[in-house]
Amino acid sequence: DTEVTQTPKHLVMGMTNKKSLKCEQHMGHRAMYWYKQKAKKPPELMFVYSYEKLSINESVPSRFSPECPNSSLLNLHLHALQPEDSALYLCASSTPRLAGELTDTQYFGPGTRLTVL
Amino acid sequence: SQQGEEDPQALSIQEGENATMNCSYKTSINNLQWYRQNSGRGLVHLILIRSNEREKHSGRLRVTLDTSKKSSSLLITASRAADTASYFCAPNTGGFKTIFGAGTRLFVKA
Repeated sequence: DTEVTQTPKHLVMGMTNKKSLKCEQHMGHRAMYWYKQKAKKPPELMFVYSYEKLSINESVPSRFSPECPNSSLLNLHLHALQPEDSALYLCASSTPRLAGELTDTQYFGPGTRLTVL
Repeated sequence: SQQGEEDPQALSIQEGENATMNCSYKTSINNLQWYRQNSGRGLVHLILIRSNEREKHSGRLRVTLDTSKKSSSLLITASRAADTASYFCAPNTGGFKTIFGAGTRLFVKA
């Protein structure tokens, strides 16, 4: 299985709602990532989990709360979002580092298109 | 990791022609990767070239790396309409933090 799945594909939420995005992979990858991508822009890194521990938080507002319950799952909890948070949210995972070789090739899911009203 | 800068920003060619995209970066790298993104979808890893490699092929893709000039190029030969996508380079210095450049938007006309 070489796939990263993301649910839901589309999400529309109000500014007072609480919702969650889900990401799953069964490739044995031990690093998982959340990116945010606005139209015609490159993906921007939000969070990285390595071995289920938060490794990188790119100064993301607290209304985004990541969670890595196990090595296959990554969640992004959303609360009190703003319209400017509307974007494509991408999840990715990467291979464990091999001895002497750092690749960090990332495998991406199809994304969740989020619209905040 | 660091950001790559791609050029051109946009490229429009006829089917069957070759497409070349360039990427420049600022500091020493372990490897450089190229990704493709079809409109509104996830990124797909295309090819990885290590710092001690100068050229790599994968099907219709050819990637070169010039570490002295801190630059890489991606050549797509005999392009097809299905190659229409955005292409991003990702220079990697060994960390988890990947900063994608602005990308090149390729449009292949049938």
